[in-house]
Amino acid sequence: EIVLTQSPATLSLSPGERATLSCRASQIISSNYLAWYQQRPGQTPRLLIYGASSRATGIPDRFSGSGSGADFTLTISRLEPEDFAVYYCQQYGTSWDTFGPGTKVDVK
Amino acid sequence: EVQLVESGGGVVRPGESLRLSCAVSGFTFEDYGMRWVRQAPGKGLEWVSGINWNGLSRGYADSVKGRFIISRDNAKNSLHLQMNSLRGEDTAFYYCARGWNYDSSGPLDSWGQGTLVTVSS
Repeated sequence: EIVLTQSPATLSLSPGERATLSCRASQIISSNYLAWYQQRPGQTPRLLIYGASSRATGIPDRFSGSGSGADFTLTISRLEPEDFAVYYCQQYGTSWDTFGPGTKVDVK
Repeated sequence: EVQLVESGGGVVRPGESLRLSCAVSGFTFEDYGMRWVRQAPGKGLEWVSGINWNGLSRGYADSVKGRFIISRDNAKNSLHLQMNSLRGEDTAFYYCARGWNYDSSGPLDSWGQGTLVTVSS
């Protein structure tokens, strides 16, 4: 089983700032099969990024994903008020998926 | 519009069983793999189980293996999770989610609103 670690656990920033979230895997994820999700309070998760760097349908271009192997990053270029949420990474490079523990982006 | 609606949650005692269902509409169900993902109140996401389009490939998290069974009925556009020998740590919201393709693994592009399972004596 691939274990995902996300850092930091909490990121306190102001609207307009840049957010950089990390997701590290316990082993290399084949084919960069890594996705990112956003979960706002009281809502279900929303797919943001798949294949490490491809934006899902309807996702604004301020969200970008990068990385390869076992080290991945989600960047939000300029935080909008609706971006304050919890972000999860998910690997699907093995037969079964696993999620990371999440990073909470809150208002500084 | 893609819709996934879970049902079957409730309060049960440790050791008891529960069967969750997910009714889907707005897409061709048999074209997609499906998942169950759970989230304990105030906690993170945990992948529980996945099934491919025809039900021949299924998988389970170690935490539920041997106790939970995932199944699907393509004729009735429904997904199920039979949960046996329930434990306190199974208490969570259970979400039905659609995979991005026919496989049992991959990104999840649509989610239901969840059904709450509470295991308590």
